[in-house]
Amino acid sequence: AQSVAQPEDQVNVAEGNPLTVKCTYSVSGNPYLFWYVQYPNRGLQFLLKYITGDNLVKGSYGFEAEFNKSQTSFHLKKPSALVSDSALYFCAVRPYGQNFVFGPGTRLSVLP
Amino acid sequence: DVKVTQSSRYLVKRTGEKVFLECVQDMDHENMFWYRQDPGLGLRLIYFSYDVKMKEKGDIPEGYSVSREKKERFSLILESASTNQTSMYLCASGWGGANNEQFFGPGTRLTVL
Repeated sequence: AQSVAQPEDQVNVAEGNPLTVKCTYSVSGNPYLFWYVQYPNRGLQFLLKYITGDNLVKGSYGFEAEFNKSQTSFHLKKPSALVSDSALYFCAVRPYGQNFVFGPGTRLSVLP
Repeated sequence: DVKVTQSSRYLVKRTGEKVFLECVQDMDHENMFWYRQDPGLGLRLIYFSYDVKMKEKGDIPEGYSVSREKKERFSLILESASTNQTSMYLCASGWGGANNEQFFGPGTRLTVL
């Protein structure tokens, strides 16, 4: 079965510190990889995606993600966290010809 | 900006009622999707549509049906609401092609009593 794991339900980080939200996946083939963010009482917003090429992908709001094919991981990172980054983050993969598979989500809390 | 709107933000219904959730997108997207979001489970696909009058079952279609009579509108129907359908429902749309992201509506939080 195809699956996406986000091993941490909750990540706490101090404002100004770097943050990492982890994602690993188990799907067939070479999927496309995505990160979305959900603020309270809102729908999901697209952050970034990996299609091909450079393993480090840059996206919205200063976020970036690193693709590691051998570890089947796609971790989300930001060099300096802001309180306003506090939200629910979803990793998603899309195998070619199939629909999205979403992870369970990781709640990020950035403490002032 | 892409806009995906959903007819209600909050909805309270009684067991056995028929429930309609409407979704409209303004970007001429071919693809539209309905998900439900539950804590710890992420998003699960209920139904999707790649074209007008076309629909396909997702991972959890039981108890739901959909309608897509116009390209911009995708409706989710709960034929007879049950308490286990209490959830957040998210509509999304996107262009064709697996490398394209989806655009989400604000969600409808449905409570079935």
